[in-house]
Amino acid sequence: DTAVSQTPKYLVTQMGNDKSIKCEQNLGHDTMYWYKQDSKKFLKIMFSYNNKELIINETVPNRFSPKSPDKAHLNLHINSLELGDSAVYFCASSQDPRSSYEQYFGPGTRLTVT
Amino acid sequence: DQQVKQNSPSLSVQEGRISILNCDYTNSMFDYFLWYKKYPAEGPTFLISISSIKDKNEDGRFTVFLNKSAKHLSLHIVPSQPGDSAVYFCAASESNYQLIWGAGTKLIIKP
Repeated sequence: DTAVSQTPKYLVTQMGNDKSIKCEQNLGHDTMYWYKQDSKKFLKIMFSYNNKELIINETVPNRFSPKSPDKAHLNLHINSLELGDSAVYFCASSQDPRSSYEQYFGPGTRLTVT
Repeated sequence: DQQVKQNSPSLSVQEGRISILNCDYTNSMFDYFLWYKKYPAEGPTFLISISSIKDKNEDGRFTVFLNKSAKHLSLHIVPSQPGDSAVYFCAASESNYQLIWGAGTKLIIKP
């Protein structure tokens, strides 16, 4: 039973396209996150939602827009894709937004922009 | 500016021996530290954590040591097992705010 799932696992697309990555968690958690793992392997927080409300919004281009239809879902929509958007994107969830609470990660979505 | 640094991209250890993974940080306001483990094609999974009020936390084969004056923490795995082969991420936070992650160290356990 997958706790945090992401679709698709791989996404190859051309520059300028718009794409979405979906995330769902069945853990009953209140907080969900999107991370980007860049080419240097650093994991960087992009967004965090708690009870469907945005609580962390790091400096990411406004081409990236998270959408949380309910507590169990946090989708990431990316407009006008650029080469530099190529990365692995991880969704995560936790019981509480405080960082001391364990975060549960999805398997990641490898986005390749050509 | 890397606030959390894992200077060893990889580490190779014989099965049964001790694995020591290191992590340095620059922000003296960090008060909570975590280690996550990641297998290929999977997301990171939580391993162990430590609050800045402690200098050691143990969980089975895993022990994390914190040296606040040196702004250094380490993860010890004893004894190392083949299933421990993975990438280990160090992460830190200030006042329970967002996690700042290191770049990871790939641990290879040789049989």
